[in-house]
Parts: sequence; C-alpha cells; structure tokens
Amino acid sequence: DQQVKQNSPSLSVQEGRISILNCDYTNSMFDYFLWYKKYPAEGPTFLISISSIKDKNEDGRFTVFLNKSAKHLSLHIVPSQPGDSAVYFCAARKNYGGSQGNLIFGKGTKLSVKP
Amino acid sequence: DTAVSQTPKYLVTQMGNDKSIKCEQNLGHDTMYWYKQDSKKFLKIMFSYNNKELIINETVPNRFSPKSPDKAHLNLHINSLELGDSAVYFCASSQNLWRYTFGSGTRLTVV
Repeated sequence: DQQVKQNSPSLSVQEGRISILNCDYTNSMFDYFLWYKKYPAEGPTFLISISSIKDKNEDGRFTVFLNKSAKHLSLHIVPSQPGDSAVYFCAARKNYGGSQGNLIFGKGTKLSVKP
Repeated sequence: DTAVSQTPKYLVTQMGNDKSIKCEQNLGHDTMYWYKQDSKKFLKIMFSYNNKELIINETVPNRFSPKSPDKAHLNLHINSLELGDSAVYFCASSQNLWRYTFGSGTRLTVV
C-alpha cells in the first residue's frame, strides 16, 4: 500500500532548464511534506519541506508546490545544474502526536542533468 | 565529524548467521530510526526510538531487535539471517520528527 507515490522512476533534463519532479499521496492526515536528495553510496539529505497549511515554499533554486485538493506536490529546480543529478525522494510525515511520528517515502525519481 | 555514522558500510554473510549494525549520532537528537531500502528502492521505517524508548515498530520480524543503550546510539541486531534480509539499512536521527539526518547506509548481502 503505497501512501506516497513517485510515478516517474527517472527524468532527464538539459542544464539550465527546469526540472519538475512529481509526487502524489493518499493519506489526507499527512501534515508535512519533504524532499530528500540522495547521491550513490550516501544517505538521503534533506532538501526542502512544506507544511500542509501552505501551498508553496521556496529556497534558492528549489521550490516545492503543494496542491492539497489533488493530494499532489512537486519540486521545481530552476535552473538545473549537473550537480543536481541524484535520486530525489518525496516524503510525508505521519504524526501520531507527542514524540511519535515517522516519514513515509516514495520510491524516488532519478534526475539526470545533462551539460 | 560525521553526524550519523553507521558501521559496517558493507556486510556479506551467510544465511542463518546473526549480525549487528551499529549507529551513532553526535547531533544531540532525541529520536533515532532504522529504515530499510529494499530491492524495489522503497525506504521503509522499521523502528523509531525516542530517548532510548521504542516508539515505532513497524511489522518487522522478531529476528530484528533494536537496542538503544543511550540516546546517541541505536544498534540493530538481526538473528537467523534470511536471503530476503538483503537490503541497504539506513540509520537516521531527528529532533523535530521531520528533518532527518541519515547515515550513509549499510549494504547487507545474505548469501
């Protein structure tokens, strides 16, 4: 039962253009959404997040958009750079309250940015 | 200084063996996790500890036993290893239940 879905396993983009990575979720109780970036042989690293009460969050070249009615979020990278080539994981927080909670991850999308 | 460190990085072992993976974080975080990334690339939560107390145990076989001697350490012991246990295991820590810091992973291969 995939609660967080990334339907595109890979994406190839030319350097300087926009990269758009998509993510869908099924559980309306998620309260936080995040994007993590992973290079080979390394652990995922936090990239950007958005609270469920917002629809946009921007950090430099990275912008995350949230459409709650469609249960969809996307990550925009503008302009894309070769160093952005990595696997991007979408994640959603399941909050049980207090100190309990964990992130549920999608399968990831491998982004290749070509010079 | 590595924030979340896991050892070993690679582990190859035979079916039926018992093995442990260690994790340490120097960030002062209260919560630590074990995630498993299987062959289908899903990152799935296995366990979560908050201040040495087990918080989440997500339908993981009894052969997997986490141990947290203090809040900076969360080790994973696996008994009677099976072929299906082959995966990359990631340790992580967080202070606010959403921004995780991951270790670099332990690739376990059971032959």
